[in-house]
Amino acid sequence: AQTVTQSQPEMSVQEAETVTLSCTYDTSESDYYLFWYKQPPSRQMILVIRQEAYKQQNATENRFSVNFQKAAKSFSLKISDSQLGDAAMYFCACGGSQGNLIFGKGTKLSVKP
Amino acid sequence: DSGVTQTPKHLITATGQRVTLRCSPRSGDLSVYWYQQSLDQGLQFLIHYYNGEERAKGNILERFSAQQFPDLHSELNLSSLELGDSALYFCASSVAGRGAGTGDGEQFFGPGTRLTVL
Repeated sequence: AQTVTQSQPEMSVQEAETVTLSCTYDTSESDYYLFWYKQPPSRQMILVIRQEAYKQQNATENRFSVNFQKAAKSFSLKISDSQLGDAAMYFCACGGSQGNLIFGKGTKLSVKP
Repeated sequence: DSGVTQTPKHLITATGQRVTLRCSPRSGDLSVYWYQQSLDQGLQFLIHYYNGEERAKGNILERFSAQQFPDLHSELNLSSLELGDSALYFCASSVAGRGAGTGDGEQFFGPGTRLTVL
């Protein structure tokens, strides 16, 4: 069974600053993927970034990057130069061979102007 | 726009009723996943279909069922509805069949159907 834990229900960041959202996971599978999804007030689920577990190099997508610590089963998301449009719920998810994604409870990110 | 469509956007019904939610995956995607997002349970996986066949089941109630048709669209049927079934129901699609741990694995989500049971 897989579990995903996001220990920060809410976070706040000043516009243009950097914020890191935490996520830990547990899985018995050797081949899996990790994802961060963004859910703005529109409720649309938007993929932010993905990480293949077999890759040691941390994934980056423009202002978004991850710190993947496989041994510690940690997968944090760093948002640089935060923008007002980054305000949303952020969900960490783990996907394995069963096909489905297991989601954390989410972190609500607020961006202050 | 993810390319995944879901209808209807909103659905209001009464307890004991039956509803059908519809999902059309992205062009070329063979896998369809259904998820339920509620305030108390968060985002939960319900069921996965690949090219018409059921592949995996999650926390799906016996009152719920799904199918994927030859044209690859999928329907989620919810019956004997209860107040607690009120939630946002997402459909997601991907190319991969064996799951997110193989191949591309990326899942694209539709806009969701908001179900309110009164």
